[in-house]
Amino acid sequence: NAGVTQTPKFRILKIGQSMTLQCAQDMNHNYMYWYRQDPGMGLKLIYYSVGAGITDKGEVPNGYNVSRSTTEDFPLRLELAAPSQTSVYFCASNEWGGGGGEQYFGPGTRLTVT
Amino acid sequence: GENVEQHPSTLSVQEGDSAVIKCTYSDSASNYFPWYKQELGKRPQLIIDIRSNVGEKKDQRIAVTLNKTAKHFSLHITETQPEDSAVYFCAASILSGAQKLVFGQGTRLTINP
Repeated sequence: NAGVTQTPKFRILKIGQSMTLQCAQDMNHNYMYWYRQDPGMGLKLIYYSVGAGITDKGEVPNGYNVSRSTTEDFPLRLELAAPSQTSVYFCASNEWGGGGGEQYFGPGTRLTVT
Repeated sequence: GENVEQHPSTLSVQEGDSAVIKCTYSDSASNYFPWYKQELGKRPQLIIDIRSNVGEKKDQRIAVTLNKTAKHFSLHITETQPEDSAVYFCAASILSGAQKLVFGQGTRLTINP
């Protein structure tokens, strides 16, 4: 199993541009999450999904959108990028959702907005 | 909503000594408390977790204790080794629906040889 994969690894955006961060998992997990990690800080939940077709907001959803058309994929869309969105973005998935157990993280996407 | 505070932000210990990292949470409904380790430039990985119906859990050199009344939990690492150097994050969640983790700010642990 590849686990959780993310593309791209790095990206530089200009202010006002848009992009989609890709996330895929091959573990057949229903639960998937997007986090951002600012330098020297903990992770903050942006959006999450409990299954295909179902998404909901986390702590910091403003400026982002998600979709979940399949169990495997959970892309994160940035519209009108701003410098405040400079961060490392991690996608994660887990099997039991609220039942506990490990969240498996992808390798992250380092995004810089200038 | 839930707020998780983590202390200290940095911790330096001699190899072989013990390290303790503490977290407090605000939402008494939280009942799941994992600890993640993140090495430089890598993804976070779960090292241990505890549920609110348990006061202590141990896995080899790592242990976690939970005080529900005081709303705090701690990570204990004994006989520290150089490979324990990393950033450690505590988190809290309610075991219902999705696992919406709220993370602490992290502790950078350095093990000095």
